[in-house]
Amino acid sequence: DVKVTQSSRYLVKRTGEKVFLECVQDMDHENMFWYRQDPGLGLRLIYFSYDVKMKEKGDIPEGYSVSREKKERFSLILESASTNQTSMYLCASRGQGGGYNSPLHFGNGTRLTVT
Amino acid sequence: QQQVKQSPQSLIVQKGGISIINCAYENTAFDYFPWYQQFPGKGPALLIAIRPDVSEKKEGRFTISFNKSAKQFSLHIMDSQPGDSATYFCAASTFTNAGKSTFGDGTTLTVKP
Repeated sequence: DVKVTQSSRYLVKRTGEKVFLECVQDMDHENMFWYRQDPGLGLRLIYFSYDVKMKEKGDIPEGYSVSREKKERFSLILESASTNQTSMYLCASRGQGGGYNSPLHFGNGTRLTVT
Repeated sequence: QQQVKQSPQSLIVQKGGISIINCAYENTAFDYFPWYQQFPGKGPALLIAIRPDVSEKKEGRFTISFNKSAKQFSLHIMDSQPGDSATYFCAASTFTNAGKSTFGDGTTLTVKP
């Protein structure tokens, strides 16, 4: 079974702080994703990565950056946290699927509160 | 621009009833349509998925119906149980761009005993 582990379950930070959210997957997946989940808005893609050191912007990248130095680890960085970044953050991974599309495997999320 | 529209936002069903959640998409390049189930405190997990070359897929009590010409797909939960109470997300993706998925807004299902 694929395991995607997010290092923090709950996080409380102050406005202006630099925040790191860490995610590790154990299935040697090439693709990793960061989503943000807000009530009534579904899951919105922030950034994704298809290989080590490669990254692509998703639909809402403003105020975020990412880092992928190792294949199994994908970090989301909030350079200067703001209250509108209070949300649930979900990390996911996906294998190449042998040429076909395949499902995402999610972590259990990090609930971030910015005060 | 919302590429995947999901309805209803919430749904209450009696035990043993049928739950139906609908999704519509715009991008004809989508080639994979999964449904995810999320329980409180957990991340979403794949429930069932379909590719556009079939019109229906059934796994136990869960069925996806797919209408390519209408660009719509739906999830049917037969004999709904209280344990099915969860949030359901439809999604759509293409094989390109790492297979990134676009999600619907989610449906909160409550199955009453």
